[in-house]
Amino acid sequence: NAGVTQTPKFQVLKTGQSMTLQCAQDMNHEYMSWYRQDPGMGLRLIHYSVGAGITDQGEVPNGYNVSRSTTEDFPLRLLSAAPSQTSVYFCASSYSKGGVTNYGYTFGSGTRLTVV
Amino acid sequence: QKEVEQDPGPLSVPEGAIVSLNCTYSNSAFQYFMWYRQYSRKGPELLMYTYSSGNKEDGRFTAQVDKSSKYISLFIRDSQPSDSATYLCAMSTGNQFYFGTGTSLTVIP
Repeated sequence: NAGVTQTPKFQVLKTGQSMTLQCAQDMNHEYMSWYRQDPGMGLRLIHYSVGAGITDQGEVPNGYNVSRSTTEDFPLRLLSAAPSQTSVYFCASSYSKGGVTNYGYTFGSGTRLTVV
Repeated sequence: QKEVEQDPGPLSVPEGAIVSLNCTYSNSAFQYFMWYRQYSRKGPELLMYTYSSGNKEDGRFTAQVDKSSKYISLFIRDSQPSDSATYLCAMSTGNQFYFGTGTSLTVIP
């Protein structure tokens, strides 16, 4: 099993550019989420999804969009990149039942994004 | 007040020492408690998972949950240089996860 696969691993963007961070999992997990990790701030939830067609905002959703058309894929779109979005982004998935996840996450290896 | 508080360290111990890592929390609705290990430039990996109060042991690792004090701990016995990493605690009500900021641990050979 590949687990959770994130692409790209590294990206440099100019302010105002847009891009999509890809995330795919092969564990048939219903619950998927995106986090950003910044020094001293820990992991902060951007958006999450409890199943295909269902998404919701987390703690820091501004400037990001998500969609979930399939169980496997959960892309994160940066609409107009800003230097404040320089961070490491992690996608994670978890088994869930009825929208409730009682199990730990499987994380991807992360995307290091720099906005200049 | 943050949902989860964790001392960031850094913590430096000699090889073979017993390590104690701790988190406190404020939300009494948390039922599921986890510890993740994160190596440099890698994603977090699930290390320990416990439900409600009590202890759980897995090899050199022991997780403790004290819901009355809103306090969780991770103990590492006979610490090894390969244990050098950042350890994150996490908690869940079943719908969302809340993470501590992580404690950086270095085990010196």
